[in-house]
Amino acid sequence: KQEVTQIPAALSVPEGENLVLNCSFTDSAIYNLQWFRQDPGKGLTSLLLIQSSQREQTSGRLNASLDKSSGRSTLYIAASQPGDSATYLCAVSGGETSYDKVIFGPGTSLSVIP
Amino acid sequence: EAGVVQSPRYKIIEKKQPVAFWCNPISGHNTLYWYLQNLGQGPELLIRYENEEAVDDSQLPKDRFSAERLKGVDSTLKIQPAELGDSAVYLCASSPGIPPYQETQYFGPGTRLLVL
Repeated sequence: KQEVTQIPAALSVPEGENLVLNCSFTDSAIYNLQWFRQDPGKGLTSLLLIQSSQREQTSGRLNASLDKSSGRSTLYIAASQPGDSATYLCAVSGGETSYDKVIFGPGTSLSVIP
Repeated sequence: EAGVVQSPRYKIIEKKQPVAFWCNPISGHNTLYWYLQNLGQGPELLIRYENEEAVDDSQLPKDRFSAERLKGVDSTLKIQPAELGDSAVYLCASSPGIPPYQETQYFGPGTRLLVL
């Protein structure tokens, strides 16, 4: 059964810092991995989607990498801003016993201090 | 393009009462999902529809939860009777494709349920 974990659970950084969020998954037979953002009281918004054949995806100040063999992904946020404060969740699609399921991690709560 | 619409946004009920949630997905999206999200956790799938067919309801507590997707568009999720442990956020999402060729899911704002 696919399990997704995220470290750290919470992170507080001063504005302008570069930061890395981590995601780990137990079953490497995935189709893709997504990073989502969730603001308080809101639904999830997709940030980046990495297909299993890709190593990384970039969007603006965000860069996500994927290492299937080690079951890891990182989300790099450059020059953090207070508007980046939110919860970031990773989600994996697929796996040997869950080929058509999307499994979410618990999220990392990010606070960027002005 | 309108996003995924959910109503109500908030609901407070007493235990043992029934409650229903409504979701209107993005036009043309074949796949619709209902998730449950507890505080500090990621969403957990309750049921997935491909068009009007429920193809994955293995995590749906069928003794008290029911769902339907009429004409492959709107969907409702019902709880009867509600229990204290059902307090959570209920999220609806839709995607244009059909798994396992998963594409991005688009989420609604959710319905926050509080059972007293």
